[in-house]
Amino acid sequence: NAGVMQNPRHLVRRRGQEARLRCSPMKGHSHVYWYRQLPEEGLKFMVYLQKENIIDESGMPKERFSAEFPKEGPSILRIQQVVRGDSAAYFCASSSDRGTYNEQFFGPGTRLTVL
Amino acid sequence: DAKTTQPPSMDCAEGRAANLPCNHSTISGNEYVYWYRQIHSQGPQYIIHGLKNNETNEMASLIITEDRKSSTLILPHATLRDTAVYYCIVRFPQGGSEKLVFGKGTKLTVNP
Repeated sequence: NAGVMQNPRHLVRRRGQEARLRCSPMKGHSHVYWYRQLPEEGLKFMVYLQKENIIDESGMPKERFSAEFPKEGPSILRIQQVVRGDSAAYFCASSSDRGTYNEQFFGPGTRLTVL
Repeated sequence: DAKTTQPPSMDCAEGRAANLPCNHSTISGNEYVYWYRQIHSQGPQYIIHGLKNNETNEMASLIITEDRKSSTLILPHATLRDTAVYYCIVRFPQGGSEKLVFGKGTKLTVNP
């Protein structure tokens, strides 16, 4: 059973470009979470999605950031007009709605560098 | 904000037990204690969770005090690969709807 997959693992963008980060949850998982880790800081929650629905986006910046989890395909975190402050590691996690304890399983992350 | 307090760093000798404390004095009756760790630059890894009874799995043991205001994660025979930042998190488990709130964690260094 493959774990959570994220791609690309490393992404370089120039200021003003768009960044698209992809996350494929573990098989059978219908809940996806995105977290951001700025250099030398802890992980911060961004958004929680179920298939085709955003459940909690309380950690998402108000502008330039969006996320989706379509019925088919991976979850996408999209950052428009990137700035240097967006440089960070972005981690995706998934969980199942079948278990009682809902452990979140994390992917390897995408490291975004904005030049 | 995180509901837990952990020492910022700890050292442990390879082969010895590593005991990582966590204070969660405001934990509510239905909240569980979860432990995750993050090895350098990797995604966080789930370790163990518990409500009020001691728990053990292939990775670690979790000891929760009777009043549930604190807990200890025990790595019985620490190896160099256990060097990581360890996060103690309290949350409600049901529904998969609760985000993980990470504090600063404890940076554990296992020395040869």
